[in-house]
Amino acid sequence: GENVEQHPSTLSVQEGDSAVIKCTYSDSASNYFPWYKQELGKRPQLIIDIRSNVGEKKDQRIAVTLNKTAKHFSLHITETQPEDSAVYFCAATTPDTGRRALTFGSGTRLQVQP
Amino acid sequence: DTGVSQNPRHKITKRGQNVTFRCDPISEHNRLYWYRQTLGQGPEFLTYFQNEAQLEKSRLLSDRFSAERPKGSFSTLEIQRTEQGDSAMYLCASSLVLSGDWNEQFFGPGTRLTVL
Repeated sequence: GENVEQHPSTLSVQEGDSAVIKCTYSDSASNYFPWYKQELGKRPQLIIDIRSNVGEKKDQRIAVTLNKTAKHFSLHITETQPEDSAVYFCAATTPDTGRRALTFGSGTRLQVQP
Repeated sequence: DTGVSQNPRHKITKRGQNVTFRCDPISEHNRLYWYRQTLGQGPEFLTYFQNEAQLEKSRLLSDRFSAERPKGSFSTLEIQRTEQGDSAMYLCASSLVLSGDWNEQFFGPGTRLTVL
């Protein structure tokens, strides 16, 4: 089955700096890669996703890049703000299989220092 | 609130007791997933429903676990004879999956289970 590795496990940045979180996946058939943000005690919330037919997607301060050949994808947050502090999870899935369940990475705790 | 809801939000039980959780998905969503999340880890897939049919169960789902979605709307997850290792956050997610479509999943707030 699919296996998703995520790095780093913790990341501390100064407000205004950029943050990058990286994930690798094992199943070359995976073609949908969402990123979720989970604040303490709250539900995971989808912040951005990318399909395998594109290499990059941006939404304001957030961007995701995908390298299908290397089987890795990354989340980039620019101009970080204290409210960006949370745990971020990457995930992968293969829509072509019936299940389409998400396989998650182990999470990155991002702390933005004011 | 038109999002995914779960009840109860917290459940504390003694080892050996049975517990049942409920998930109400977004109304038009045909897919419903159960995940389990332990501290410091990402959610892990347990099972999923397409409408009322339970189509797959993970190896993580022992015989003590059962899930239903009787009318293709809300779902329940029951754990019988709870063990301390069952302590976790149980997350429900729903999505609208059409043929050949992507699968954006929306999560509920979770039920945190503590087994004493």
